[in-house]
Amino acid sequence: DQQVKQNSPSLSVQEGRISILNCDYTNSMFDYFLWYKKYPAEGPTFLISISSIKDKNEDGRFTVFLNKSAKHLSLHIVPSQPGDSAVYFCAARSGNTPLVFGKGTRLSVIA
Amino acid sequence: GAGVSQSPSNKVTEKGKDVELRCDPISGHTALYWYRQSLGQGLEFLIYFQGNSAPDKSGLPSDRFSAERTGGSVSTLTIQRTQQEDSAVYLCASSPPGGSGNTEAFFGQGTRLTVV
Repeated sequence: DQQVKQNSPSLSVQEGRISILNCDYTNSMFDYFLWYKKYPAEGPTFLISISSIKDKNEDGRFTVFLNKSAKHLSLHIVPSQPGDSAVYFCAARSGNTPLVFGKGTRLSVIA
Repeated sequence: GAGVSQSPSNKVTEKGKDVELRCDPISGHTALYWYRQSLGQGLEFLIYFQGNSAPDKSGLPSDRFSAERTGGSVSTLTIQRTQQEDSAVYLCASSPPGGSGNTEAFFGQGTRLTVV
């Protein structure tokens, strides 16, 4: 049973437009959520996170929104750039438990 | 080095052989994780070490898999009698102390294991 779900395996967006990546979770005990970005042949790199006590966190072009009642979070990238093309993983944890990851969404930003 | 270091970066082994994968976490990080990513899949949790606590081994897929963390630093993941389904990228991550858990994990570049 997948506790963290990324239902879109891929997404294509034009350069300069907004990219919206979605993530749903089932475990109501999750209290910390993260997004990671992964390029081929590299390990995932941390992008942005949000605590369950917040509903929005912004860092430059990246904003994460959390809707606890819907158990849904999303990552907005605006404006999208070709260098943003990568696989994006949503992850969640409860306290000090290990991070639980989704299967990832491959974002392609077309110039 | 500043980041999580894993070795080897690539490993090809024959079915039935044992392999050892090494992870050097970031200095001072108390938590260490092993994950694996099979082709087209997400990151599958394997094992988690947190300080001096007993490791969380709940993600290990079979008793052929084991891991150690010596001196609270370097970790070795051992796979005995490798099978073709063990082929994957094995990723190690570490994270700093953080009582509330609100800390990110930093990943190494991974070890690509191919069992032929």
